[in-house]
Amino acid sequence: GAGVSQSPRYKVAKRGQDVALRCDPISGHVSLFWYQQALGQGPEFLTYFQNEAQLDKSGLPSDRFFAERPEGSVSTLKIQRTQQEDSAVYLCASSLAAGTYGYTFGSGTRLTVV
Amino acid sequence: GENVEQHPSTLSVQEGDSAVIKCTYSDSASNYFPWYKQELGKGPQLIIDIRSNVGEKKDQRIAVTLNKTAKHFSLHITETQPEDSAVYFCAADNTDKLIFGTGTRLQVFP
Repeated sequence: GAGVSQSPRYKVAKRGQDVALRCDPISGHVSLFWYQQALGQGPEFLTYFQNEAQLDKSGLPSDRFFAERPEGSVSTLKIQRTQQEDSAVYLCASSLAAGTYGYTFGSGTRLTVV
Repeated sequence: GENVEQHPSTLSVQEGDSAVIKCTYSDSASNYFPWYKQELGKGPQLIIDIRSNVGEKKDQRIAVTLNKTAKHFSLHITETQPEDSAVYFCAADNTDKLIFGTGTRLQVFP
């Protein structure tokens, strides 16, 4: 596609519910990143894939967070047993080559945990 | 790890004036410094970037300067227009992830 597509755009979850957020990167982009953006803050790194390999997951805040990219294209970020502090915008970015040069971000998924 | 500080947090200018946003970083190994513009309800959009082997880069009304010794980099927008109003983020690359500043809300008044 023309850009990075994320779905859903908005998600309201009850505390304790599991959620899955989807990212469709730009076709052919090797690198894919997930970031979490709290209200009024800059994005914070969660995890990084190069093709299907998860090279860095140091930013995942707890073992309730899990990300996968099984075929090196679409990625899913899963959050189990959601908590109120998980409320944020989850941003996905992709880039053509390895690393962070020239990222393109999607519009994000706004998750609200009630 | 890397830490990026950004100032000011808000900036109001008259249309046609210049705007400057400043960032500092802590890790001398960082070598790539992009700037992003984020409008309400949208993801950040890359507007300009600079690598550590370059001191300045310009693209029309936007320029970025980098001082590696002082670990400072700045965004300069000249001849501001109302459509420049947005939140701007600086970032530094640290081992294949970007560390972002806290953002500057720029308002350009007509």
